[in-house]
Amino acid sequence: EIVMTQSPATLSVSPGERATLSCRASQSVSSNLAWYQQKPGQAPRLLIYGSSTRATGIPARFSGSGSGTEFTLTISSLQSEDFAVYYCQQYKNWPPWYTFGQGTKLEIK
Amino acid sequence: EVQLVESGGGLVQPGGSLRLSCAASGFSFSSYWMSWVRQAPGRGPEWVASIKQDGTEKFYVDSVKGRFTISKDNAKNSLSLQMNSLRVEDTAVYYCAREENSNYRYWGQGTLVTVSS
Repeated sequence: EIVMTQSPATLSVSPGERATLSCRASQSVSSNLAWYQQKPGQAPRLLIYGSSTRATGIPARFSGSGSGTEFTLTISSLQSEDFAVYYCQQYKNWPPWYTFGQGTKLEIK
Repeated sequence: EVQLVESGGGLVQPGGSLRLSCAASGFSFSSYWMSWVRQAPGRGPEWVASIKQDGTEKFYVDSVKGRFTISKDNAKNSLSLQMNSLRVEDTAVYYCAREENSNYRYWGQGTLVTVSS
């Protein structure tokens, strides 16, 4: 099983500032990495797949980078609606055994 | 518009059974892999099971193998999860999700399963 570790657990940032979230895989997942945003009471929302490709309708302020075991989600200028929990997910395995990180809570500073 | 609507959650005692359903609409259901993903309170999502477009291949996370069965009825645009021998640690919100390149753009609203005596 590939274990995904996210850091930090909580990130406090002011609106308008940049946020950088990290995700580390216990072994290489190549670029098979997605990021999701989740707000209370809602299902996760796909932001990024293939490590760096924005999903349809996702604003350009969201960007992803990395490959292998180290990945980053950057939100360039935080808007009020961006404060939420963010999860990474690897999908390298076949047969399927997808794993998610434990999440980073992005809160208003 | 893609819609996924889960049903069937509830309170069940340890060792009991429950069957979850997911009604799909707005897309060609027979063309997609489908998954169940669960999320325990305060924790990250956990992939549970996936099924191929035609139902001929099924995969499960180790913790549910032998207890859960995923199935797909393309004629009824329906996905199911039969859960037997339920444990307290199976308590979670269960989501139906459509797979695209092994990630999930479309999710249902979720259905809560609580396993408790």
